[in-house]
Amino acid sequence: EVQLVQSGGGLVQPGGSLRLSCAASGFTFSNYWMQWVRQGPGKGLMWVSNINTDGSSASYADSVKGRLTISRDNAKNTLYLQMDSLRPEDTALYYCASATNSAFDIWGQGTMVTVSS
Amino acid sequence: DVVMTQSPLSLPVTLGQPASISCRSSQGLVHSDGNTYLSWFQQRPGQSPRRLIYKVSNRDSGVPDRFSGSGSGTDFTLKISRVEADDVGVYYCMQNTHWPRTFGQGTKVEIK
Repeated sequence: EVQLVQSGGGLVQPGGSLRLSCAASGFTFSNYWMQWVRQGPGKGLMWVSNINTDGSSASYADSVKGRLTISRDNAKNTLYLQMDSLRPEDTALYYCASATNSAFDIWGQGTMVTVSS
Repeated sequence: DVVMTQSPLSLPVTLGQPASISCRSSQGLVHSDGNTYLSWFQQRPGQSPRRLIYKVSNRDSGVPDRFSGSGSGTDFTLKISRVEADDVGVYYCMQNTHWPRTFGQGTKVEIK
């Protein structure tokens, strides 16, 4: 089955860190650009970050640049989001997803991150 | 950043009737490679988003042909030819021509 399974969310204090993981199966993970998209409580979708197929190039939304870091391990078929210096406004449901311009689209189930004291 | 503006934000529709959502971008979305990277996503209640359309008018695998995308330049449209109960949810346009990628605010489709 083609799927992305996410893990790693939770409650963290402001200034704290978390690492999200997104495990891919059923497809050739290393062939696809990947992205993180988040959705604040009751809000719309916001693009967070993209990474290319070999992990050598990444892009970020301005609001997360320097605090969130996307990476991937193609040997483990896993995408990551390292989240540092977290702020209350980072509270959201985080989705990993493919980022293709072809007929292939897959999303994870989402993982909740809550930043609160 | 490229601002994506959707209208309407709420769309009550009758089952079996057509529906149309507009998306306008603050800048043209033609990439230097000649392609226009405008996508449409559906998010059903309580579910992850899924992409319906990529590059303006290309349907993703498994997407019913009731859904179609069109447009050029800065004006784009998602059409549902005959709305079904399964189509209830929020629809988003997204541009992936320019950095950072940006989404529209979302259009909530509900059944009258």
